[in-house]
Amino acid sequence: AQKVTQAQTEISVVEKEDVTLDCVYETRDTTYYLFWYKQPPSGELVFLIRRNSFDEQNEISGRYSWNFQKSTSSFNFTITASQVVDSAVYFCALKTSYDKVIFGPGTSLSVIP
Amino acid sequence: GAVVSQHPSWVICKSGTSVKIECRSLDFQATTMFWYRQFPKQSLMLMATSNEGSKATYEQGVEKDKFLINHASLTLSTLTVTSAHPEDSSFYICSARWRRRHEQFFGPGTRLTVL
Repeated sequence: AQKVTQAQTEISVVEKEDVTLDCVYETRDTTYYLFWYKQPPSGELVFLIRRNSFDEQNEISGRYSWNFQKSTSSFNFTITASQVVDSAVYFCALKTSYDKVIFGPGTSLSVIP
Repeated sequence: GAVVSQHPSWVICKSGTSVKIECRSLDFQATTMFWYRQFPKQSLMLMATSNEGSKATYEQGVEKDKFLINHASLTLSTLTVTSAHPEDSSFYICSARWRRRHEQFFGPGTRLTVL
């Protein structure tokens, strides 16, 4: 079965705090792709990152960083020094050999000034 | 990056009418387009996959006679919600992909409200 779990439904942090959004996935495929998307209140999905199953290197992009661990089937996303503009719903997604993108339930992040 | 547009961005219609939503890839040829539905505070659920020139493949539980999908060209796919009812009110999002590349480019979504 292919599945993406984001256990945190809602998170609130105070501006400048660091926050980590958890993502756990399930797949039997050896080749797969993981994504993170941001959905601000406007509704339009914003692509953040793609990672393939063969590349376990962590990645940092500005205040964003991602920790991919195949051993625990996790692909966590950390925002450092959060800002109000980071307030949004964040989706983790999985694309497998079935060629479909499966989205997790999303985590709603509120950054309080 | 690649741009996908949707039209209209929002639509309000009366129960029983049909509504057509367009999805266009503006600067690339979309060999495959996907249609998603998102209810408030929920995740995106794939409704159907369409390849240019072929019939759409619908996900389990999605009524193909109610949600008509046409992908007649490499830059345009349409979703028609036939005989819409209030329970069809949702946010409809399309995405497009070129060949079998792993990246999908999402449109801005269409908010449908059925009165």
